[in-house]
Amino acid sequence: EVQLVQSGAEVKKPGESLKISCEGSENTFTTYWIGWVRQMPGKGLEWMGIIYPGDSDARYSPSFQGQVTISADKSSSTAYLHWSSLKASDTAMYYCARGPKGYCSGGRCFLASDHYFDYGGQGTLVTVSS
Amino acid sequence: QSALTQPRSVSGSPGQSVTISCTGTSSDVGVYNFVSWYQQHPGKAPKLMIYDVSKRPSGVPDRFSGSKSGNTASLTISGLQAEDEADYYCCSYAGSYTLYVFGTGTKVTVL
Repeated sequence: EVQLVQSGAEVKKPGESLKISCEGSENTFTTYWIGWVRQMPGKGLEWMGIIYPGDSDARYSPSFQGQVTISADKSSSTAYLHWSSLKASDTAMYYCARGPKGYCSGGRCFLASDHYFDYGGQGTLVTVSS
Repeated sequence: QSALTQPRSVSGSPGQSVTISCTGTSSDVGVYNFVSWYQQHPGKAPKLMIYDVSKRPSGVPDRFSGSKSGNTASLTISGLQAEDEADYYCCSYAGSYTLYVFGTGTKVTVL
């Protein structure tokens, strides 16, 4: 069974930094892209970005480019979502999810054509308040 | 890239059918057959219900079906059941720059 396990809830102050994690299996992290999704309180899902742990290539939604950093450690099968300076508006539930398979050619890695997210983590609630 | 447009809510009685629309543009829904649908119960993580417009993952009941016409995709729930009451989100691939865009979400109420 595919499992993605996210780190626990966080309470932070504005301006603080934070890194939350998403751990899975070796097969997942060597074969698939891992995506991150935000859900603000009472609101809908927003796609943030995606990373291929195989080469740490990260792509971002234009809405989140520069606001967060997505990284991964293939050796520990863990993906991360990082903020350098949190804002109150970052208060939300964050989900990681398994995305398309990846493949590499000519020194670059690409998303295969299975454009959906089939397994997700349980979510990490981030609360930013002074 | 704007969110795909879904109705805020739809409702139906047990056994009836409901259809949720998901309207995008010629840059996402209209050009790619990569629309997926997710069900989210309160306090729970989203669950994949439909992918590639009309394919169902293993374990998803066949009363859930998907289709697409032009810039609009649709999710139909036939034979509505109480456990189908949830929020539903569509998502489309939108090309190599934007990659993905979600819909605004629809609350399905079983009367």
